Amino acid sequence: RKEVEQDPGPFNVPEGATVAFNCTYSNSASQSFFWYRQDCRKEPKLLMSVYSSGNEDGRFTAQLNRASQYISLLIRDSKLSDSATYLCVVNRGNQGGKLIFGQGTELSVKP
Amino acid sequence: SQTIHQWPATLVQPVGSPLSLECTVEGTSNPNLYWYRQAAGRGLQLLFYSVGIGQISSEVPQNLSASRPQDRQFILSSKKLLLSDSGFYLCAWSVIGDEIIYGYTFGSGTRLTVV
Repeated sequence: RKEVEQDPGPFNVPEGATVAFNCTYSNSASQSFFWYRQDCRKEPKLLMSVYSSGNEDGRFTAQLNRASQYISLLIRDSKLSDSATYLCVVNRGNQGGKLIFGQGTELSVKP
Repeated sequence: SQTIHQWPATLVQPVGSPLSLECTVEGTSNPNLYWYRQAAGRGLQLLFYSVGIGQISSEVPQNLSASRPQDRQFILSSKKLLLSDSGFYLCAWSVIGDEIIYGYTFGSGTRLTVV
């Protein structure tokens, strides 16, 4: 089983749509969770951390379910500029800060 | 502020040739440093990480090696490149102890094509 698994995608949605990305992780000792965004042929950039209580940043909402080892990212009112690959990232809990990246889910927002 | 530099941005090398990619970090001291590779259409694979000068840990056996000759310098090398070494190589850094809060910051990457 992969350490971090994401929806395979790609997701093709119209502008204004709400889209949800799902991610599961295998290490129950993991403590840190992030969503990164990667534009085509660019480096990944931190989008948001994911906290146990859930957190929101504008149109983006991240949720964590430790019991199910499941993370989600919701994007509301999607924009053309949201088109990118979204990477779910989890620390390898028993090895400190080492971060493991999911394969990524590609999002394409169409006019 | 902290910045991370990687070079070159793109590289085309013949099979069997050597490789040296360099990464430097400015504005911080004693960072954790990482090398990742992203093959075409695939996820990021952690190759090496370093918690200090001369301290290198390898994630997977491969045709590559890494060195950290100075606190803020991380080098990825190969003596003889294989076709399968092609990919997008990314260097990243984090503050020791803060990575679980702030994650990693990546350099702009080197796109390597082995021909």
